[in-house]
Amino acid sequence: DAGVIQSPRHEVTEMGQEVTLRCKPISGHNSLFWYRQTMMRGLELLIYFNNNVPIDDSGMPEDRFSAKMPNASFSTLKIQPSEPRDSAVYFCASSNRFYEQYFGPGTRLTVT
Amino acid sequence: KQEVTQIPAALSVPEGENLVLNCSFTDSAIYNLQWFRQDPGKGLTSLLLIQSSQREQTSGRLNASLDKSSGRSTLYIAASQPGDSATYLCAPNTGGFKTIFGAGTRLFVKA
Repeated sequence: DAGVIQSPRHEVTEMGQEVTLRCKPISGHNSLFWYRQTMMRGLELLIYFNNNVPIDDSGMPEDRFSAKMPNASFSTLKIQPSEPRDSAVYFCASSNRFYEQYFGPGTRLTVT
Repeated sequence: KQEVTQIPAALSVPEGENLVLNCSFTDSAIYNLQWFRQDPGKGLTSLLLIQSSQREQTSGRLNASLDKSSGRSTLYIAASQPGDSATYLCAPNTGGFKTIFGAGTRLFVKA
């Protein structure tokens, strides 16, 4: 299995631009998570999906953030408009029926 | 609200030492607890998963224990190697996919 796949691995954009991060979970996993990691705040859960349905989005910081999971093999996290304080590493993870999470390599986002 | 504390925050040891990383959590009603390692600039790699009904799990030189009633878990690393240098994170899951991560222990093993 290829593991959780994220793209792009690095993204540099200017303030105000739209950013879309992509994730392909491990086949057969029915839950997907988006996290954000910064030095100041550590690892924060933004949103998670179960069977493609958003279950808890209480960690999404603002309305500028949105996430979708149109099918079991694809999810996106969108930031529109982006701001410098959104700069962080964004991780996608998926979990099996034992609730064991597997993380992707992350997308390092820099907003200038 | 679950709070997770990892002690020590950083640790530097010579190669070959056995070491213990500690994790404590405030809500003992957990479903499971997962230990991860994170290398600089990389994602998190799952090391061990302990179900709430288990007391310990072992994988190679790693042994994780769980004392749910006291809200504690320890990760024991035997015969440490420079390749073990990384940040280790503890993550209890209280069900409903609520996994809270500790800030981690940054380990450096000197050759």
